[in-house]
Amino acid sequence: DTGVSQNPRHKITKRGQNVTFRCDPISEHNRLYWYRQTLGQGPEFLTYFQNEAQLEKSRLLSDRFSAERPKGSFSTLEIQRTEQGDSAMYLCASSPGQRAFFGQGTRLTVV
Amino acid sequence: EDKVVQSPLSLVVHEGDTVTLNCSYEVTNFRSLLWYKQEKKAPTFLFMLTSSGIEKKSGRLSSILDKKELFSILNITATQTGDSAVYLCAAPNSGGSNYKLTFGKGTLLTVNP
Repeated sequence: DTGVSQNPRHKITKRGQNVTFRCDPISEHNRLYWYRQTLGQGPEFLTYFQNEAQLEKSRLLSDRFSAERPKGSFSTLEIQRTEQGDSAMYLCASSPGQRAFFGQGTRLTVV
Repeated sequence: EDKVVQSPLSLVVHEGDTVTLNCSYEVTNFRSLLWYKQEKKAPTFLFMLTSSGIEKKSGRLSSILDKKELFSILNITATQTGDSAVYLCAAPNSGGSNYKLTFGKGTLLTVNP
């Protein structure tokens, strides 16, 4: 399968814990995006990487959130000191241009 | 700030009906409009529209863009239960190499047998 892969698919965590998600993009795509989606809403942009450089962060991305893309391949999104409001689907996408290819997402539930 | 608005937010039809989903946008330096289908997880790509008046078709689905009136429609003919999903409309960012997408809230389509 050469699509975008995300792990884990589901994560339940207690409030205050740290969580990390991983995204493996399509290998030839240099652009990588993270989005967050809550119930009844479309995905909202969080951050953008071109190769290993993080070029844009949304104001939705508080200082508890950090993302990396070492070596321009896979990416990780870490949320520190999780809050109930962080419960959402976290989607990763990669693209060669305007068309984005999405992963299956990681559904985070903070209890 | 870019804005994408979809209507209706939800729609229930019977198998065999034809549906039209609407998407209006306000985007600085418009480049394209994309439609995605989202069932349970990943949005899957349907169409990318860049030119006005040119219909794109894929089986029973078709879409068209009107750049003067700033909207697009997605048509599904002879709907099937497998068409039940959220249909998302999105526009890429207008500047530089960052093609981040601004999405509408989506239209939840339910097709009953």
